[in-house]
Amino acid sequence: AQKVTQAQTEISVVEKEDVTLDCVYETRDTTYYLFWYKQPPSGELVFLIRRNSFDEQNEISGRYSWNFQKSTSSFNFTITASQVVDSAVYFCALSESQGAQKLVFGQGTRLTINP
Amino acid sequence: AAGVIQSPRHLIKEKRETATLKCYPIPRHDTVYWYQQGPGQDPQFLISFYEKMQSDKGSIPDRFSAQQFSDYHSELNMSSLELGDSALYFCASSLLSGGTGDTQYFGPGTRLTVL
Repeated sequence: AQKVTQAQTEISVVEKEDVTLDCVYETRDTTYYLFWYKQPPSGELVFLIRRNSFDEQNEISGRYSWNFQKSTSSFNFTITASQVVDSAVYFCALSESQGAQKLVFGQGTRLTINP
Repeated sequence: AAGVIQSPRHLIKEKRETATLKCYPIPRHDTVYWYQQGPGQDPQFLISFYEKMQSDKGSIPDRFSAQQFSDYHSELNMSSLELGDSALYFCASSLLSGGTGDTQYFGPGTRLTVL
């Protein structure tokens, strides 16, 4: 069975600090996708990134970066120079690669950026 | 760019009543998913449709049913509502046949309150 664990329930930092959100996953599939979604206080789920299990290359998008390590089954998310607008709940998710497969979400990490 | 549309955005019902939630996927997307998110919880997969056929089923109560229509919009029908059905219901869509994998884009959600 697939499982995603986000051990950090809540994180609070001061603006401009760097922060890393951890994600560890379990799956028996050799091919799968990993995702990060952001849920701001308004409630919608915003897609941030999708990573194929065959692609371990790290990715940077502005202040956001992702570190995928298959050896440790981790897909961590770092925000550099955090801003108040980054405050949200962040979900890591996993899906199989075949067919219209469901997303299995982690429990989410509530990130609060204080001014 | 067009996003997933959900209606209504808010719905208040009494116990034992019925509710119908509607979802309009991103144009040309062929797959629709429904998720339920309880307060402080991660989204839980309910059901999905690919090309108007049910493709996967999660922990959806027997009181719930869903379908995808010829124009690809989907409806989630909920009967004999219970207090525990109060939640945020998300619809997501993806384009499985487009070679972009199964990145799911979420609608803004329907907040259902059962009194």
